[in-house]
Amino acid sequence: AQTVTQSQPEMSVQEAETVTLSCTYDTSESNYYLFWYKQPPSRQMILVIRQEAYKQQNATENRFSVNFQKAAKSFSLKISDSQLGDTAMYFCAYLQGAQKLVFGQGTRLTINP
Amino acid sequence: DGGITQSPKYLFRKEGQNVTLSCEQNLNHDAMYWYRQDPGQGLRLIYYSQIVNDFQKGDIAEGYSVSREKKESFPLTVTSAQKNPTAFYLCASSIDRMWTGGQNTEAFFGQGTRLTVV
Repeated sequence: AQTVTQSQPEMSVQEAETVTLSCTYDTSESNYYLFWYKQPPSRQMILVIRQEAYKQQNATENRFSVNFQKAAKSFSLKISDSQLGDTAMYFCAYLQGAQKLVFGQGTRLTINP
Repeated sequence: DGGITQSPKYLFRKEGQNVTLSCEQNLNHDAMYWYRQDPGQGLRLIYYSQIVNDFQKGDIAEGYSVSREKKESFPLTVTSAQKNPTAFYLCASSIDRMWTGGQNTEAFFGQGTRLTVV
């Protein structure tokens, strides 16, 4: 069964710093998708970034980028120039075909002024 | 606009009652999911459905039931057998568009329902 692991329960950085959130996963599939979701205090789940496993190029969305290492089954999220509004829970997720959408345990990120 | 809608946003249940949480999507997604989230915790999968008229138990299905009579709808019933139902419930839907090169594969969430037992 697919599993997703986020080993950092909490992280805290100063505003404008760069922060990297870690995620590893386990799968025997070759084609799948990985996601990072942000959950602010409103509890709405917001899609931050998506990566297709067949693409070698790392996905980027403005200040958010990923480091996707397929062989190592690693999918980290880098937030550059962090802002106070980035404070939230961040979840890593895996999706493949007819399989269920699997989430990691989450990382609580705090951006300090 | 396409999206996924959960209702109600807040729900109060008396002990011993069954309640049903609604989840509707107009994204033409095949798969739908229900997750439970307790304060400060991650997401735990209750049930999921890949196609109409079929669904599978997740990690914490006891005390819950679902149906998938239409592609657009995946209601969750919290039964009286669920001993600690107070939580935040999230519905999600997804589609794997591998046949298009995967470019439009997506997974989205509703805004959630806060259920409280009174």
